Amino acid sequence: EPEVTQTPSHQVTQMGQEVILRCVPISNHLYFYWYRQILGQKVEFLVSFYNNEISEKSEIFDDQFSVERPDGSNFTLKIRSTKLEDSAMYFCASSEGRSSYNSPLHFGNGTRLTVT
Amino acid sequence: AQKVTQAQTEISVVEKEDVTLDCVYETRDTTYYLFWYKQPPSGELVFLIRRNSFDEQNEISGRYSWNFQKSTSSFNFTITASQVVDSAVYFCALSEAGGYQKVTFGIGTKLQVIP
Repeated sequence: EPEVTQTPSHQVTQMGQEVILRCVPISNHLYFYWYRQILGQKVEFLVSFYNNEISEKSEIFDDQFSVERPDGSNFTLKIRSTKLEDSAMYFCASSEGRSSYNSPLHFGNGTRLTVT
Repeated sequence: AQKVTQAQTEISVVEKEDVTLDCVYETRDTTYYLFWYKQPPSGELVFLIRRNSFDEQNEISGRYSWNFQKSTSSFNFTITASQVVDSAVYFCALSEAGGYQKVTFGIGTKLQVIP
């Protein structure tokens, strides 16, 4: 079964550094998402992306964050000038369609980001 | 605004016991979707089930069963004859029909099955 692939599985970075988290969505999927889970807390929506633009974002997704689909396969989340509170597990997801009715989210295994 | 409440933060059961994980949700939409995900210690999110708001039939899949009651806005999850491999954090989640699959998760219930 096709999978969403995320790399790296664990990233350690120093406060103030930029970091890029990478995801390869399922190949025929058109909608892409990033979610975040701070350790021990719930999973939170960050952003959805369709047709090369952001379709929806949460209040967490401020100017520090950006997303990009640089080529036909990758989907990236960039965090500029990381802060300690950005330490979390970041999940990429993709779906074939917009609606949960016929097109459920497929999550990757996550990238654990540690900011020191 | 949508909200998912999982009142049980941690549950411990002895292997082979049945356990029910509670989930209560809030939404203003008449069409919405409910989910359960499992997060084992390795950290990935494993999809278990999706339910549409217009389908209140309960569902059974092996040792897992789900009870959806629109009247009480609840979507409870029961594991029958629990096993050690069921130890994980279980998340209930909700998405509304209109958005781009902006899924709202509950805080999760950590289930520990003791051998």
